[in-house]
Amino acid sequence: KNQVEQSPQSLIILEGKNCTLQCNYTVSPFSNLRWYKQDTGRGPVSLTIMTFSENTKSNGRYTATLDADTKQSSLHITASQLSDSASYICVDVEAAGTASKLTFGTGTRLQVTL
Amino acid sequence: DAGVTQSPTHLIKTRGQQVTLRCSPKSGHDTVSWYQQALGQGPQFIFQYYEEEERQRGNFPDRFSGHQFPNYSSELNVNALLLGDSALYLCASSSQPQHFGDGTRLSIL
Repeated sequence: KNQVEQSPQSLIILEGKNCTLQCNYTVSPFSNLRWYKQDTGRGPVSLTIMTFSENTKSNGRYTATLDADTKQSSLHITASQLSDSASYICVDVEAAGTASKLTFGTGTRLQVTL
Repeated sequence: DAGVTQSPTHLIKTRGQQVTLRCSPKSGHDTVSWYQQALGQGPQFIFQYYEEEERQRGNFPDRFSGHQFPNYSSELNVNALLLGDSALYLCASSSQPQHFGDGTRLSIL
């Protein structure tokens, strides 16, 4: 059972609209939680990183929130653009000494249309 | 400054063969992690190399092995290929945050 679950699996929105993607994680101990954007045929690119003490972080039109009590995170995309069409992956990070172990969700596939 | 580079970009093999994938980390990064990403799924952690040693390993069989060289570049080797090994193999360097290459698409016939 994947310890990072995302919803919805896929989403279609009109250009200019906002959307919110959800992530529930159960991995512990928790170090930080990240959102990545993965374009088709490319590697994932980091959007945000939040530690246990942070509950919101923005990167341009992307805003991530974190509720460590309920182990939920969300990624809000404002004024969507066609270039936002991609998979968005939530990642739970466990710190292990000098290394980090990443557990990826299965992603939400977002399609922005005209 | 080049990011993480992987080669080859695409590869086709048959069942039972062996394959070697290569990764050069971002300049200055000494830690390399390998992931397998099946179609429609998130990446699954294979293993991580630091100082030329395997430091962590995910739930992958011994058919998956790796190596890190003194210049921090790395190889992923997979023996006795199975149809289920068909996937995108991603390499990532450093850990905060990890920088990913664009992967090698491996297809097993």
